[in-house]
Amino acid sequence: DIQMTQSPSSLSASVGDRVTITCRASQSISSYLNWYQQKPGKAPKLLIYAASSLQSGVPSRFSGRGSGTDFTLTISSLQPEDFATYYCQQSYSNSITFGQGTRLEIK
Amino acid sequence: QVQLVQSGAEVKKPGASVKVSCKASGYTLTSYYMHWVRQAPGQGLEWMGIINPSGGSTTYAQKFQGRVTMTRDTSTSTVYMELSSLRSEDTAVYYCARSYDTTAYYDYWGQGTLVTVSS
Repeated sequence: DIQMTQSPSSLSASVGDRVTITCRASQSISSYLNWYQQKPGKAPKLLIYAASSLQSGVPSRFSGRGSGTDFTLTISSLQPEDFATYYCQQSYSNSITFGQGTRLEIK
Repeated sequence: QVQLVQSGAEVKKPGASVKVSCKASGYTLTSYYMHWVRQAPGQGLEWMGIINPSGGSTTYAQKFQGRVTMTRDTSTSTVYMELSSLRSEDTAVYYCARSYDTTAYYDYWGQGTLVTVSS
């Protein structure tokens, strides 16, 4: 299986900060990389698909970049509702795998 | 609007089986694939497998091979996931999630079903 490694595992930031989360694949996955946001007790929500495409209805402060093995999710100006856990997911192989998650907390 | 509505929480004893349902509405079930993803308490997301509701074909994660069965009932637009030989480590929230392709993203998720395995 393709291993997905996110960094950092947790992050403290303030409202208005710019934050970047990194996701690295154990082999090339082209642009088959998706990002999800999950809040406690809720199902994950799709933010970014195909590495850099913004899902409909998602604020433009969210952006994604990368291809091959290295990817980033950036939130340009943190809002109170952005404090959550973020997961990357590779959909390149038939055996789908997720990163371990990045917990974004309020500083 | 698209909705995936899952069945309610379950409590099972070790060795038993559980069958979770996921009822789709707002779209044609057979036009999208359905995946199952689980999340143990305080842990990350784990993919279990996929079913093509159109023909019923399935692919399961190696970890669950022999213990998981995914089926569908197109007459009721419902997909099912049955997990057998339950152990305490199977305690988790189980989600269904749809994708338009076998290797695509999940644009809609069910609300999750908590399965607790305890003696």
